[in-house]
Amino acid sequence: QKEVEQNSGPLSVPEGAIASLNCTYSDRVSQSFFWYRQYSGKSPELIMSIYSNGDKEDGRFTAQLNKASQYVSLLIRDSQPSDSATYLCAVIFSGGSYIPTFGRGTSLIVHP
Amino acid sequence: SAVISQKPSRDICQRGTSLTIQCQVDSQVTMMFWYRQQPGQSLTLIATANQGSEATYESGFVIDKFPISRPNLTFSTLTVSNMSPEDSSIYLCSVIRDSRTEAFFGQGTRLTVV
Repeated sequence: QKEVEQNSGPLSVPEGAIASLNCTYSDRVSQSFFWYRQYSGKSPELIMSIYSNGDKEDGRFTAQLNKASQYVSLLIRDSQPSDSATYLCAVIFSGGSYIPTFGRGTSLIVHP
Repeated sequence: SAVISQKPSRDICQRGTSLTIQCQVDSQVTMMFWYRQQPGQSLTLIATANQGSEATYESGFVIDKFPISRPNLTFSTLTVSNMSPEDSSIYLCSVIRDSRTEAFFGQGTRLTVV
């Protein structure tokens, strides 16, 4: 069974701090990794995709991938109250299916 | 990215009836999926909509309950049949343009069965 694991939270951080969200997955050979943000009552929206080991930065967001340790993380710098949402990690596992498997999501609360 | 139009955005339905949800994409996509998301939960894949053939259903979902059509590469429908209150959920259409690339979502359909 291929799985994506996330701590459900909530993760609470003060405004301006760095929020660190983590995700582990079960298949070492996986190639495609994604972070989505979902506001309450809305559909998921893509924040970042990452395909190779290391860091990928986009504005205040940095995705970090470590395939040897089978984890992917998302850092949000200078967190804002508007970043308060659920963050979903998704992985496309190797083996023929191109369907992403989603974690349960981590709830992030950024308080003023 | 992809522009996805999903209709209706919400509905309240009587038990025993059926609702058809439509998903229209602005251009051809490789894959279309249907997910269900119950309150406070993550996404559960219902099925992959296959163009011109029967959908591929995940464990726990059957065609009689969730018939799916995909007549072309830009359009799909999901029907929730013989509804019960347990079917109350958000239903999401999702598309992927190319293998192993990002999935995008429609706005979702919030279904309440009374």
